[in-house]
Amino acid sequence: GDSVTQTEGPVTVSESESLIINCTYSATSIAYPNLFWYVRYPGEGLQLLLKVITAGQKGSSRGFEATYNKETTSFHLQKASVQESDSAVYYCALAPNYGSSGNKLIFGIGTLLSVKP
Amino acid sequence: NSKVIQTPRYLVKGQGQKAKMRCIPEKGHPVVFWYQQNKNNEFKFLINFQNQEVLQQIDMTEKRFSAECPSNSPCSLEIQSSEAGDSALYLCASSLTDSGNTLYFGEGSRLIVV
Repeated sequence: GDSVTQTEGPVTVSESESLIINCTYSATSIAYPNLFWYVRYPGEGLQLLLKVITAGQKGSSRGFEATYNKETTSFHLQKASVQESDSAVYYCALAPNYGSSGNKLIFGIGTLLSVKP
Repeated sequence: NSKVIQTPRYLVKGQGQKAKMRCIPEKGHPVVFWYQQNKNNEFKFLINFQNQEVLQQIDMTEKRFSAECPSNSPCSLEIQSSEAGDSALYLCASSLTDSGNTLYFGEGSRLIVV
């Protein structure tokens, strides 16, 4: 079936250090999935961080980047220099890009990131 | 801040009791989703609507869960007879279309079944 696997947390890094949260996907029933990173900050709802719908493209937001790699079926999240305000739970997700399936997102289990000052 | 409004934030029910959660989608979004996130952080899709019509739902939803999105009223998800395994965070999300668009999530309703 379709699934998403991401780095198990918690991940703890110090402020200004670099970060990578791994995400790989299996899309056996979806030819060209859309790939997402969602984030849940403390006390807030889940919100979109970035999205890429075309293989080979890179998405970026708030200093984070992720590249859609169809060959390695990966969508790793990276940031060159994290801030304490980046502390949150990060979810990798995929969804079909055609209408009949209802755009059901398939989520990973989330990675808790703690950034130390 | 979430523009999808979910109420209540928390509810505690005894086994066998009904549990009802409501969701007001973002204005102008015709598609509404309900997900269940369990204690292991796993997401499970429950049901989705386009306007008032059900698009898809899973078997679990068909048996003990009921949901609706009436016009001019909040959407709702109701568990007819709560079980301990239903304890979870129930997330509502809305979207412009049912294909490839970003989902906008509420903060969730946390159900605890004792």
